[in-house]
Amino acid sequence: TQLLEQSPQFLSIQEGENLTVYCNSSSVFSSLQWYRQEPGEGPVLLVTVVTGGEVKKLKRLTFQFGDARKDSSLHITAAQPGDTGLYLCAGHSNAGGTSYGKLTFGQGTILTVHP
Amino acid sequence: KAGVTQTPRYLIKTRGQQVTLSCSPISGHRSVSWYQQTPGQGLQFLFEYFSETQRNKGNFPGRFSGRQFSNSRSEMNVSTLELGDSALYLCASSLWFASSGKHEQYFGPGTRLTVT
Repeated sequence: TQLLEQSPQFLSIQEGENLTVYCNSSSVFSSLQWYRQEPGEGPVLLVTVVTGGEVKKLKRLTFQFGDARKDSSLHITAAQPGDTGLYLCAGHSNAGGTSYGKLTFGQGTILTVHP
Repeated sequence: KAGVTQTPRYLIKTRGQQVTLSCSPISGHRSVSWYQQTPGQGLQFLFEYFSETQRNKGNFPGRFSGRQFSNSRSEMNVSTLELGDSALYLCASSLWFASSGKHEQYFGPGTRLTVT
């Protein structure tokens, strides 16, 4: 069974601070996605990383995929109140069979950015 | 392109009843996956359909079932509802890029099911 451990579970910071969310597994994933979810809505895809060591930037957000494709991080620079939400990492394996269409999700990080 | 749509957005049912939820994937996407999201368990995979066939199933009881139609629209059904079935049910349509191994899922807004 593939598991993704996401940390921290909660983050409460002031506007302008930096933060990092971690996603770790003992399993190798073919690709890993980060989502942001607002209350009562579905997760919105932020980024997909595929290659070990890959770094992607989306404005103030930086995503990194570990060299072994077992871990990932999300770093937010100068957080803003609009960044508040639930952040989820999710991994996919291309092994076929029981992996078809299945994302393995971390438990999520609830981020609150205070003005 | 229109996103994934789910209907209804909210449902209130009583124990023992059954419910059907509907999902329309992004145009051109043939794979539809369903997830249950609860505060305690997070997002858990229910099943995936591709070209009208269930290819994968999570660890949920047989009360949870689904189907997919020729236009890729999907429905999931929960029979004999229990209080613990109260959750946000999410549908996602997928794109898989075979050459790179990249797999992306796009989620709908979800159906909030409350069982009383």
